[in-house]
Amino acid sequence: DQQVKQNSPSLSVQEGRISILNCDYTNSMFDYFLWYKKYPAEGPTFLISISSIKDKNEDGRFTVFLNKSAKHLSLHIVPSQPGDSAVYFCAASPSSGTYKYIFGTGTRLKVLA
Amino acid sequence: DSGVTQTPKHLITATGQRVTLRCSPRSGDLSVYWYQQSLDQGLQFLIQYYNGEERAKGNILERFSAQQFPDLHSELNLSSLELGDSALYFCASSVQAMNTEAFFGQGTRLTVV
Repeated sequence: DQQVKQNSPSLSVQEGRISILNCDYTNSMFDYFLWYKKYPAEGPTFLISISSIKDKNEDGRFTVFLNKSAKHLSLHIVPSQPGDSAVYFCAASPSSGTYKYIFGTGTRLKVLA
Repeated sequence: DSGVTQTPKHLITATGQRVTLRCSPRSGDLSVYWYQQSLDQGLQFLIQYYNGEERAKGNILERFSAQQFPDLHSELNLSSLELGDSALYFCASSVQAMNTEAFFGQGTRLTVV
């Protein structure tokens, strides 16, 4: 049972344009969400997070949007740069019960120069 | 550098053997998580410890066990190894058990032959 889903395994974007990565979740108990970037043979690197009390969080070129009613979040990267090429994972965590991060399967982003 | 240290980086062992993976969390972090990533798949949650106590358990096999020591470092023990256990094993740490970002180590690549 995949509680966090990233339905696009890959995405290609031109340098300078916007990259939009999507994530859906099924568990309404999730209320903290994170995005990680991962290069091959390295550990995931934390990018940005959002709490369910917000619908948007911005950090430089990265913005995460949360739509709780749709159980959907997205990561916008503007402008996209070739160095952003990596696998992006979204993760979700509940604030009660068992505390753990559930990860999606990842989206491989390729930014074309 | 995330501040999370995992040793060893690489491990090759034979089927039926037992190995121990070690993780030192970031200074001040009380929570440690273990994840398994097989063949470019998503990150599968194995187990979480908080300040020495087990807090959450995922799809961790009975052949696998973990613990967190008083100095907060953690070890993941894998026994009766099978070919299918070959994977990247990541450790992550966070300052608290929830609503915060976790920081990942570089991982241990386990190859069972």
